[in-house]
Amino acid sequence: KNEVEQSPQNLTAQEGEFITINCSYSVGISALHWLQQHPGGGIVSLFMLSSGKKKHGRLIATINIQEKHSSLHITASHPRDSAVYICAVKHTGNQFYFGTGTSLTVIP
Amino acid sequence: EPEVTQTPSHQVTQMGQEVILRCVPISNHLYFYWYRQILGQKVEFLVSFYNNEISEKSEIFDDQFSVERPDGSNFTLKIRSTKLEDSAMYFCASRRRTGVGGGELFFGEGSRLTVL
Repeated sequence: KNEVEQSPQNLTAQEGEFITINCSYSVGISALHWLQQHPGGGIVSLFMLSSGKKKHGRLIATINIQEKHSSLHITASHPRDSAVYICAVKHTGNQFYFGTGTSLTVIP
Repeated sequence: EPEVTQTPSHQVTQMGQEVILRCVPISNHLYFYWYRQILGQKVEFLVSFYNNEISEKSEIFDDQFSVERPDGSNFTLKIRSTKLEDSAMYFCASRRRTGVGGGELFFGEGSRLTVL
């Protein structure tokens, strides 16, 4: 079993701030996913990472395989970024382990 | 854009009743999943399905749960005799097996199950 820890659990930011959400896991993985869960409950995949860094618009995700750590950054945060951000890791098998999520609120 | 669709969006049932949750994964995807999220808790893995059989399942996925892909498009989760603690949002997801790590996960909107 892989323990997936996210920090912080809750985050409130002013619009325009740079935001970082962290994810650590205990066992080596084949891939890490960053997911966004909307207030209505729907889940959207943001990134899948197995190494290095990916960027999509104002979102940047990085992973350090040796340190078993990943970060999700949001630049120029906006109220519409308010959501729960979830880290999920996958081993060489087919099972995913999820973090508890980081609840982000961006205030105008 | 292709998407995973789930029905029903919300189902209310009496304890002890059977429930079937339905999912239509993206058509060229090969791996299918069911997850659940109890209100206020994290998403939990239930089962993965590949090549018409279960490939992995969690300890949550006991004998009262079953999955099927009866017609090559639908992917169903059946709960035989629902309990109060089965009340949760159930998410279906699918992915293609491409590249390292197996590709991006695509989630449905979820089916909220309320057991009374």
